[in-house]
Amino acid sequence: DGGITQSPKYLFRKEGQNVTLSCEQNLNHDAMYWYRQDPGQGLRLIYYSQIVNDFQKGDIAEGYSVSREKKESFPLTVTSAQKNPTAFYLCASVGGLTSQPQHFGDGTRLSIL
Amino acid sequence: AQSVTQLGSHVSVSEGALVLLRCNYSSSVPPYLFWYVQYPNQGLQLLLKYTTGATLVKGINGFEAEFKKSETSFHLTKPSAHMSDAAEYFCAVSLYNFNKFYFGSGTKLNVKP
Repeated sequence: DGGITQSPKYLFRKEGQNVTLSCEQNLNHDAMYWYRQDPGQGLRLIYYSQIVNDFQKGDIAEGYSVSREKKESFPLTVTSAQKNPTAFYLCASVGGLTSQPQHFGDGTRLSIL
Repeated sequence: AQSVTQLGSHVSVSEGALVLLRCNYSSSVPPYLFWYVQYPNQGLQLLLKYTTGATLVKGINGFEAEFKKSETSFHLTKPSAHMSDAAEYFCAVSLYNFNKFYFGSGTKLNVKP
């Protein structure tokens, strides 16, 4: 079955450390997204990519970086510059027309050691 | 700027009672509208969507929503709540020709036995 795979499910970061969250999709979708979810704040957009080798900053891009070298992959790096990285991170994708809904992965929960 | 407002961060109903979750949006053009459900530590699952056509939309698990342009609303309803409906629900909008989505802050539904 097609879908989005996020790994790992749980991740711990030490102070000053960069960590990378994986997101892979086999839906043949062009557009991919990263969201951060904090309690009571809904989903906030970090980065999105509409095509390979191109991506745009979302509303809270500071302290994060992404790459889009392959259509199916959109990894997110949480850098040491992100001072409050503890959150639930969701990856999503959408294909075709903008009337189509996003498909979501099962998320990665990042915590600070 | 687009925005999505979900009234009530927490809603509690008794099993068998009507479920009503409210969503209002601001948009200068007719949007596409979505409702998602999220269970703890999981991604978002699509419940239903409105793109064009009939304004009353039926989704999975007995949920439905009605698009009211004059009220800029897309409220989610279910005639009879079930214990398994306890989850967090998100309303989202996207705009024609823009692969960008805007989410409400979510409503946690509690179902009492």
